[in-house]
Formats: sequence, structure tokens, C-alpha cells
Amino acid sequence: ILNVEQSPQSLHVQEGDSTNFTCSFPSSNFYALHWYRWETAKSPEALFVMTLNGDEKKKGRISATLNTKEGYSYLYIKGSQPEDSATYLCAFYSGGSNYKLTFGKGTLLTVNP
Amino acid sequence: NAGVTQTPKFQVLKTGQSMTLQCAQDMNHNSMYWYRQDPGMGLRLIYYSASEGTTDKGEVPNGYNVSRLNKREFSLRLESAAPSQTSVYFCASSRGRGLSGELFFGEGSRLTVL
Repeated sequence: ILNVEQSPQSLHVQEGDSTNFTCSFPSSNFYALHWYRWETAKSPEALFVMTLNGDEKKKGRISATLNTKEGYSYLYIKGSQPEDSATYLCAFYSGGSNYKLTFGKGTLLTVNP
Repeated sequence: NAGVTQTPKFQVLKTGQSMTLQCAQDMNHNSMYWYRQDPGMGLRLIYYSASEGTTDKGEVPNGYNVSRLNKREFSLRLESAAPSQTSVYFCASSRGRGLSGELFFGEGSRLTVL
């Protein structure tokens, strides 16, 4: 059973704060790591798909790093805005013919104005 | 662009009733998936279809069947609904074979089994 852990479970920050959260995954048999943003009453939307150790990706104020050797990825949000409030999910894929993406339980971010 | 469309969005069933959740994507994607979301748990894969004509079990397939009707459509059937199947169901698709590309999700179907 693959274990994908996200921390913290929830986070409250003030508008303008920068924040980060962690996704831990198995360091063996790595193929890809996905990050999704999930707003309440909407469907999850992809932020990043990362496949290479040391990879860094950026989309606006959101960025992510990947360390496959130690099995973790960080998601950073710079200058948080209320519209960043959402649950952020990471998901691990070990490759092969099994199309199973193992999701973490998410980090719920609330940005207070 | 519609993306991934699921119907119905809400459904209430009695134990033992059957129903089918419909999913269609207009992005010409090869792979399609059904997930369920339960409180305190991550999204869990029920079934997937790597390509038209193929389907495979995911993590929690018991009590469900699927049909990949064509490249666009992937349906999920509950033959005899049970209260444990109360959940929010998400259909998703991805472009290629494998998961090196992102998933595109539908808006979800909230199912309650009494």
C-alpha cells in the first residue's frame, strides 16, 4: 500500500503571507508527482506534474519543488490572496501498467483578508 | 469547452436500487477514470480505462461496474446500491496512456444511499 502524506492538514494565513506545505511519498519506483488545487464546490484542477528529481515548476505566485531521492515535494504560495483558499492535493504515480494515482488527503488553506 | 461532463450531479437512492453515472469528455483523451471522495480520505480510484475498449480495477472496485462505451464516454454502474457507497464520485480523463500528464476532472456527482 503506497502512502502519500500531506502536512499540515490545514493552515490559516493572513492575506499577503507566504506559505508552504509538504507532500511525502515513497522514494522508490517514482514516476510522477501531481499537484492539484481544489476549491470548494468545484472540481480539482491541475497545478503541476513533476517527473524529474530537482525539478522546480512555477505558475504565477505558486511554485513547487521535487526531491525524488528523499520522497518529498514542497508547494509554495507567495503573497497569499483570499482566492488562494482551497484544498491542495498531491498525488503519486509509480509508473508501469497500473494507472493508479495515489492521492494524499490534502492541505486545506484558508487565507483571511 | 465542456471538458469532462458528469451526470447526474445529485442522486438519492434506496439500498438495493441500481443506477449509472455517466461521464463524457470532449478532449479526445485516451484514458478515463472514476474516483470516489469520502470525508477524511484521499481520492480513491474505483476503475479506469487506459484506452477505448479496455477497463481495469482500481483500488476500490467492489460493488461497481464500468463501461467504456467509446473514446468519449465512460460510465459507472452501481448494480445494488449500499449505504457504504454514499460518496462524491469524480470522473477524470488524461491525454496519453499513463499518468505523466495531468488529470482533468468533472464537477462530481453526489450520491446518497439510504
